[in-house]
Amino acid sequence: EIVLTQSPGTLSLSPGERATLSCRASQSVDSSYLAWYQQKPGQAPRLLIYGASSRATGIPDRFSGSGSGTDFTLTISGLEPEDFAVYYCQQYGTSPRFTFGPGTKVDIK
Amino acid sequence: QVQLLQSGAEVKKPGASVKVSCRISGKSLTELSLHWVRQAPGKGLEWMGGYIPEERKIISAQKFQGRVTLTEDTSTDTAHMELSSLRSEDTALYYCATLNVVPVFMGESSKFYYHGMDVWGQGTTVAVSS
Repeated sequence: EIVLTQSPGTLSLSPGERATLSCRASQSVDSSYLAWYQQKPGQAPRLLIYGASSRATGIPDRFSGSGSGTDFTLTISGLEPEDFAVYYCQQYGTSPRFTFGPGTKVDIK
Repeated sequence: QVQLLQSGAEVKKPGASVKVSCRISGKSLTELSLHWVRQAPGKGLEWMGGYIPEERKIISAQKFQGRVTLTEDTSTDTAHMELSSLRSEDTALYYCATLNVVPVFMGESSKFYYHGMDVWGQGTTVAVSS
């Protein structure tokens, strides 16, 4: 079973700052199957990135994804007020087919 | 545009079963890969199961095998998730979501690329309490 670890658990930043979120897998992951989601309180998750680096429809270009193998990164180039949320990485592989990381909370400093 | 509308909140006693529905509009269920994800209060996301295109069947996570039944009614474009033998730890928000699948055909074989879960239902709260 592939386990995803996200760091840091909480990232305290100010609007306009750059956010760098890490997702590390216990085994190599096919980057084609690595996705990132944003979740705000009381809302369903929202797909941001798929295939490790492709933005989903309607996602602003301040969001970017990178990485391969066991290390993946989500970068938010300049935080907007609406970006303060929890971010999850997700991978598809062998059983269980889909796993999520525990999440990184980005909150206002 | 695909939309997912889930059934309403449920309160159940330990040991009971619950059935959550997810009605699809905007596309036929047969064209979609529909999945179930749950989220306990204050916790992260947990995949429960869904349709895996490369296996051409619905698969549930091993953790839930024997307790979860995932079905699809293509006549009404509605998916159902039934969880039995409920315990307090099953108290959670249950989501249905569609997986964006891109098939690539290569001669006699095909490969499926999964472009994330891009459409989500509003969630159904299930509370398990005696």
